Amino acid sequence: AQSVTQPDIHITVSEGASLELRCNYSYGATPYLFWYVQSPGQGLQLLLKYFSGDTLVQGIKGFEAEFKRSQSSFNLRKPSVHWSDAAEYFCAVGGDDKIIFGKGTRLHILP
Amino acid sequence: GAGVSQSPSNKVTEKGKDVELRCDPISGHTALYWYRQSLGQGLEFLIYFQGNSAPDKSGLPSDRFSAERTGGSVSTLTIQRTQQEDSAVYLCASSLTRSNTGELFFGEGSRLTVL
Repeated sequence: AQSVTQPDIHITVSEGASLELRCNYSYGATPYLFWYVQSPGQGLQLLLKYFSGDTLVQGIKGFEAEFKRSQSSFNLRKPSVHWSDAAEYFCAVGGDDKIIFGKGTRLHILP
Repeated sequence: GAGVSQSPSNKVTEKGKDVELRCDPISGHTALYWYRQSLGQGLEFLIYFQGNSAPDKSGLPSDRFSAERTGGSVSTLTIQRTQQEDSAVYLCASSLTRSNTGELFFGEGSRLTVL
């Protein structure tokens, strides 16, 4: 069965620092991988997705993610975070089966 | 409409009552998903529809939960004999893509509180 693990429930970084949010997945076939963001009081929004091809994908708001098949990972990165990036981030996996989400990582930004 | 619409946005009910939550997807979107979001539990998959059929109902927590979709459009999630543990935000999403590979567009959710 497919599954998604986000090991970090909370992460705190200083504004301007780099960020990496971890995501590990389990899926029997080629995964379709997504990162969504849920800002306070707002709905979920797609940041980026990976289907095939280049394993480094670029998304909105300066985010990128790298697919590593050997590690079953799809970590989200940003070189320099802004206070407006404080939100909850969800990794998801889809494909032939349903789309399921991890439990999320809440990002806190220190001024 | 322009986006996914869910109603009611807030629902407070007494334990044992039935509730219906409605989702109106983006026009033309064939896939429709229901998730439940509880504190610390992330987005829990409940059910998804391709057109009017539900290929996967495995996420429904118990037989008190049911969902239907009519006309390939509006969907209703029904919870019978509500329990306090049903309190959560119920999110609906729709997708243009049929194969669980496309972007999901989410509604604002229906917050259910069971007293």
